[in-house]
Amino acid sequence: GNSVTQMEGPVTLSEEAFLTINCTYTATGYPSLFWYVQYPGEGLQLLLKATKADDKGSNKGFEATYRKETTSFHLEKGSVQVSDSAVYFCALSAYQAGTALIFGKGTTLSVSS
Amino acid sequence: DAGVIQSPRHEVTEMGQEVTLRCKPISGHNSLFWYRQTMMRGLELLIYFNNNVPIDDSGMPEDRFSAKMPNASFSTLKIQPSEPRDSAVYFCASTGLALSRNEQFFGPGTRLTVL
Repeated sequence: GNSVTQMEGPVTLSEEAFLTINCTYTATGYPSLFWYVQYPGEGLQLLLKATKADDKGSNKGFEATYRKETTSFHLEKGSVQVSDSAVYFCALSAYQAGTALIFGKGTTLSVSS
Repeated sequence: DAGVIQSPRHEVTEMGQEVTLRCKPISGHNSLFWYRQTMMRGLELLIYFNNNVPIDDSGMPEDRFSAKMPNASFSTLKIQPSEPRDSAVYFCASTGLALSRNEQFFGPGTRLTVL
């Protein structure tokens, strides 16, 4: 079946450090891939997405590249800020619109100044 | 544009009471999802609807949980009777066919505490 595996947290970094959060997936067909972010006390927000192999999603300095050969969609940011502290969820959708997303368990990022 | 609207934002109730959570999806969206988030189990899909019809309710934990979508602009998730282990944050999300491959928009959540 379809599944998403992301690295266990928490991830603790100093401001301006480089961030990588690993995400790998198992899916039939050609899924779309997403990163969602959840700030404290809020709902999930879409951070970035990629809908086909080799696509790079980017937003707010975050990037992730859809790698079909390694079934991965790792999230990266070159210089994190304290305001990036949140929980990050990798997700996939393997069918047409209207089908539920499959989420990873989430990775908590804590950035200190 | 208003996003997904959920009410109430916080609910505290006693074990055995009925709880009803409400959701208004984004206008024009035709799919609606209910999720539950806990520290132990993370984010779980409970049920989702396409065009007001329940498609997959395999995530509903037991018969105490029920969900309805009487029209395109409103859905409820009901727990009767509630138990302390139902304490969680419940999210509603919606998406539409025009969106890029299933991008979902989440509401702010309802934090439920069952004493």
